Amino acid sequence: QQQVKQSPQSLIVQKGGISIINCAYENTAFDYFPWYQQFPGKGPALLIAIRPDVSEKKEGRFTISFNKSAKQFSLHIMDSQPGDSATYFCAPRADTGRRALTFGSGTRLQVQP
Amino acid sequence: GAVVSQHPSRVICKSGTSVKIECRSLDFQATTMFWYRQFPKQSLMLMATSNEGSKATYEQGVEKDKFLINHASLTLSTLTVTSAHPEDSSFYICSAQTAGNYEQYFGPGTRLTVT
Repeated sequence: QQQVKQSPQSLIVQKGGISIINCAYENTAFDYFPWYQQFPGKGPALLIAIRPDVSEKKEGRFTISFNKSAKQFSLHIMDSQPGDSATYFCAPRADTGRRALTFGSGTRLQVQP
Repeated sequence: GAVVSQHPSRVICKSGTSVKIECRSLDFQATTMFWYRQFPKQSLMLMATSNEGSKATYEQGVEKDKFLINHASLTLSTLTVTSAHPEDSSFYICSAQTAGNYEQYFGPGTRLTVT
């Protein structure tokens, strides 16, 4: 059972444009919804995260939109920059059991100058 | 704050030998640590979860006797790949979490190459 579906697989955006990455999940026990950014050869780094009690969270150029009824959440990167070129993962988690993150398949973002 | 280190960052070993990878939380106490492996251009795959002083919980399909995990203290977990084979070549990443905290902090990863 694929619990987390991330799309698109890859994305090319012009500098200054908006990058949008989506994540759909099935497990209704998820209660923490983070996005991670990973550069080649590095470990993932937490970018932004949301809890289900709010529908949107903004931190600088990064925004998470959360739709509980649709079981979806998305990452918006405003004014995308070449330095944002990386792979992005959604990785929701339930506060039960192992409390492990469930990683999506990843989105390779390329921001062209 | 919340820094996780891994050592070594890269290791090359010969087939049949064992390799130990260390994961340390530098400025916090990690009650839980996770080990992942990542193949090129793929997502992270959880291998095991370890709590300090307890035996690790392995994911289905991960060989316990091949990937030995020891979480001996609140700041150190080790992953030992025993009798390594070329198919074990991968990027191994650990993460650490404190009790009651949702955030997981990832290490920089260890590139293992088995020749």
